[in-house]
Amino acid sequence: AQSVTQLGSHVSVSEGALVLLRCNYSSSVPPYLFWYVQYPNQGLQLLLKYTSAATLVKGINGFEAEFKKSETSFHLTKPSAHMSDAAEYFCAVRPNSGGSNYKLTFGKGTLLTVNP
Amino acid sequence: DTAVSQTPKYLVTQMGNDKSIKCEQNLGHDTMYWYKQDSKKFLKIMFSYNNKELIINETVPNRFSPKSPDKAHLNLHINSLELGDSAVYFCASSQEGRRGSYEQYFGPGTRLTVT
Repeated sequence: AQSVTQLGSHVSVSEGALVLLRCNYSSSVPPYLFWYVQYPNQGLQLLLKYTSAATLVKGINGFEAEFKKSETSFHLTKPSAHMSDAAEYFCAVRPNSGGSNYKLTFGKGTLLTVNP
Repeated sequence: DTAVSQTPKYLVTQMGNDKSIKCEQNLGHDTMYWYKQDSKKFLKIMFSYNNKELIINETVPNRFSPKSPDKAHLNLHINSLELGDSAVYFCASSQEGRRGSYEQYFGPGTRLTVT
């Protein structure tokens, strides 16, 4: 069984400020973890992924996330927010192997707004 | 070239009608998915096919029937549409197995409105 909790359905930051979007997961097996971004009226775009290599993962658009097993967390950060970062962000978890279960479980999403 | 494409992008129809949504991926992936995103943006998997074989079949009304004619295509047919079927439907694909990268690539979505 697996689940994802994203703390904060809405996060608002000023342009240039630190972005921190929180994600905690639960998984009965070692997980793979993902962050996706969804801009209005678009599909989901992969920001970054953790697949049991380095625990600090760098993604596109200056985002990064750190896998912390002891805290079951995979928080997304960006040092300096840009207006173009305004979007919905989803954290997702799946088992760390294929086999017969490829199920990706998503959190409920966090809407990031960036104020000028 | 679009990696995962869906048609149509918008679909407006009346209750009781039958409609289909088509999905194609040109990434050479072996696994395809259908997700439903509700009005609160919550994403839930509906079906998954691996090499044309149904792998995941969540608790979805049997009015929804997926069909995968080949590894690159996964269509979704919906019978007797209901108001509650209104949502955005996303197709996705991934490469699984030993050579898999496991990340899922999403299509642009199909916004279904049932009136």
